[in-house]
Amino acid sequence: GAGVSQTPSNKVTEKGKYVELRCDPISGHTALYWYRQSLGQGPEFLIYFQGTGAADDSGLPNDRFFAVRPEGSVSTLKIQRTERGDSAVYLCASSLTPGDTEAFFGQGTRLTVV
Amino acid sequence: QKEVEQDPGPLSVPEGAIVSLNCTYSNSAFQYFMWYRQYSRKGPELLMYTYSSGNKEDGRFTAQVDKSSKYISLFIRDSQPSDSATYLCAILTGGGNKLTFGTGTQLKVEL
Repeated sequence: GAGVSQTPSNKVTEKGKYVELRCDPISGHTALYWYRQSLGQGPEFLIYFQGTGAADDSGLPNDRFFAVRPEGSVSTLKIQRTERGDSAVYLCASSLTPGDTEAFFGQGTRLTVV
Repeated sequence: QKEVEQDPGPLSVPEGAIVSLNCTYSNSAFQYFMWYRQYSRKGPELLMYTYSSGNKEDGRFTAQVDKSSKYISLFIRDSQPSDSATYLCAILTGGGNKLTFGTGTQLKVEL
């Protein structure tokens, strides 16, 4: 497909468990972003990758959250010891170059921690 | 104070109405002002953006920025039921690498 792909679409996990959320950006896009959207709120920035490196991780809420992009394309957002407050839609976006005004979003992974 | 404030609505209008959606922002240094549309259970999609101040028109949509009052607006003319969605204003910050969103306004256009 031509768009940003996120898997899984939905994830239900128990409190305390570890989860991984995957993002396949648009082919050739060097910049990749993760956002989190809680119910009734706008997306909140988590982390931004330029190529393989995390250029800005200032939005990660705490050290339970970590993200990687080892080969500069697919990225994985990892959450350890999940808490009920982590329940949200996790959105991934990519853009052709860093600072590009148009970022393309995936449909998100809906994470529910029970 | 939040960097971007937006009335969450919901806003319900009849088909054909003119819709006005608004946000305020806090930092006068902001230059790029974006409007995203988000359908239920989908990711946001960029509708349009303006750089600095002034108006920008694209079909039935007009984006407006008033930097003196730190106010941004999106107008939708001849609204259609297919326009029913959540509209998010956003500021491009962090050297152009971070979007700061408002809460979104939920719009319903009724037949």
